[in-house]
Formats: sequence, structure tokens, C-alpha cells
Amino acid sequence: GQQLNQSPQSMFIQEGEDVSMNCTSSSIFNTWLWYKQDPGEGPVLLIALYKAGELTSNGRLTAQFGITRKDSFLNISASIPSDVGIYFCAGRDNYGQNFVFGPGTRLSVLP
Amino acid sequence: DSGVTQTPKHLITATGQRVTLRCSPRSGDLSVYWYQQSLDQGLQFLIQYYNGEERAKGNILERFSAQQFPDLHSELNLSSLELGDSALYFCASSVSGGGIDTEAFFGQGTRLTVV
Repeated sequence: GQQLNQSPQSMFIQEGEDVSMNCTSSSIFNTWLWYKQDPGEGPVLLIALYKAGELTSNGRLTAQFGITRKDSFLNISASIPSDVGIYFCAGRDNYGQNFVFGPGTRLSVLP
Repeated sequence: DSGVTQTPKHLITATGQRVTLRCSPRSGDLSVYWYQQSLDQGLQFLIQYYNGEERAKGNILERFSAQQFPDLHSELNLSSLELGDSALYFCASSVSGGGIDTEAFFGQGTRLTVV
């Protein structure tokens, strides 16, 4: 079945630094979603992408839908302590009826 | 608040028992998805319903079943529970069932502990 890979698996950064993470797929997707999950809570939708090459921002977050439609990127600028959590990407193709989730990138922000 | 409501928030039960988890989707959403998340793991898709009918099936055990009712709320039934079924169970909803670009919104989850 479809699988998504996310990298890095985890990262430790200093407060104020910028963060980059990505998500890759073996198949083409027509929708990419990025979620953040705090411990014990449900994932919260951050950004949705619908077109190849699309670049969308949500505050300090920016995500891009890769040109090949097999990858997506999430950048966080000027990180703050509340950015700590697990970031999941999810994708869906024209034929899939459900969203496939990546394994997540765990972000830790050091003061 | 995503608008997706899950009850109960916590559930503790013994092995061999049966439990029912409930999900109310966002107003206007026709599709409901169920996911399982074990400790420090990713989200494993279990099953999807769209407007009362099963639309897609993932890695759902035969001991588990789900349904979506005419008012669009959904229930996930877990039977003959085992210790390994302890996990967070999330429900998500979206407007459409597939083929149309849309977003899925998650509830707060039900934490199931099997002892």
C-alpha cells in the first residue's frame, strides 16, 4: 500500500531557529496535509495543499506541495517553545479514499 | 476546537471485554475516519464511513467493527480486548468521502487502557 516517509524522525533545536522537515511518497498525491499533535491530544490541521508547486503560509509556518507531487515540505521560522510536538504529513491520491499518514517528526525546542 | 466530538475521553477495561467508542463529526461532514495510535507511534487508519456506508478499510482487526448512523455519528466497537489494544483511538471527519480535495479534522481521541 501507499507509504509516506518523514524526515528527520526527530530534531532538537534552539529557540529562535528555523526548522525544515519533509515528507516523501512512492506515489503521486493530489492533496497534502500537515498536522501538529501535542501529547495526548488529537492532531490539529496546520496547512492544506492542493496543487503541485503551491506554497502556503500560516503564520510562522510555510508548506510547499512538491513539483513531482511525491513530496511536501514544512518550514517553521523563529521557533518558540510551544512549537514542541509531533508533526505529521498526510496525503491522498485520486483513487484513495482515506488519508495516509507519515510516521511523524518529533520536534523539541530548547530554551 | 475542531468540532469533532469523541466520547468517552478515557476508558479502562479488562481483557476479553467489549467497548464502544463514539464520534460525532463536524456539522455538515459526511465522512468519518477511525485511526489507532499506539504509544509513540503514527496514526494507523482503521476504517472510513461516508454517509452511512463503509467506504474504505485499513488495518482493522476482525474483532473490531464500526458503523455510521443516519444522524452521521459513528461508533467503533472493539471486542475480545487484548492488552495490545491499549491505544489512543481518533476519529476524524471531512465533508466529502474521496475524489475531492478536502481536509480532515480530528477529535480529541479516546484513550483506551486494557488491563
